[in-house]
Amino acid sequence: GQNIDQPTEMTATEGAIVQINCTYQTSGFNGLFWYQQHAGEAPTFLSYNVLDGLEEKGRFSSFLSRSKGYSYLLLKELQMKDSASYLCAVKEAGNNRKLIWGLGTSLAVNP
Amino acid sequence: DGGITQSPKYLFRKEGQNVTLSCEQNLNHDAMYWYRQDPGQGLRLIYYSQIVNDFQKGDIAEGYSVSREKKESFPLTVTSAQKNPTAFYLCASNNDRVNYGYTFGSGTRLTVV
Repeated sequence: GQNIDQPTEMTATEGAIVQINCTYQTSGFNGLFWYQQHAGEAPTFLSYNVLDGLEEKGRFSSFLSRSKGYSYLLLKELQMKDSASYLCAVKEAGNNRKLIWGLGTSLAVNP
Repeated sequence: DGGITQSPKYLFRKEGQNVTLSCEQNLNHDAMYWYRQDPGQGLRLIYYSQIVNDFQKGDIAEGYSVSREKKESFPLTVTSAQKNPTAFYLCASNNDRVNYGYTFGSGTRLTVV
């Protein structure tokens, strides 16, 4: 079946580094996305990985291992505004454009 | 600027009434989606459409209906048959030619009293 697992909650300190993991089991694979969602707002796109390896974009990096069905989102130099929910989503292979969503990881950044 | 617009942002309705949520995009995206999000839960797919005049049920379509008469518009009707309609509703669109997944609207928070 289709399944995406993420930790429910994480806590970190301002200025620190945090890694949010995501494991997936899906019918085929055509890319993995990370989104950020602040409370009461819509998700916003953070990163996209389709090949193995690390993609770096400013303070945020995302890693993918297709053989392990595993990804992580790395947030550096944490700021208070990074307190949000982080959603992992997988695009399955084929013409279907649907994404399969994880339940999200709620990150609290403390001073 | 291109984007996806949902209206209204907040909506209150009495139990037993149908209500229609608007979603309009000017991104020229082929596919559009409706999701429901409840507190502490992930995004659950209600309906999606990959082309005009065609749409498919998602995981929780019961009590909802949609139409896709124009590429730009994908309205969602929450009917009186929906048992727990109070939720945050998100509309999204995407296009295979760009690898950024979905673009989301700002959402509509529906409260049924």
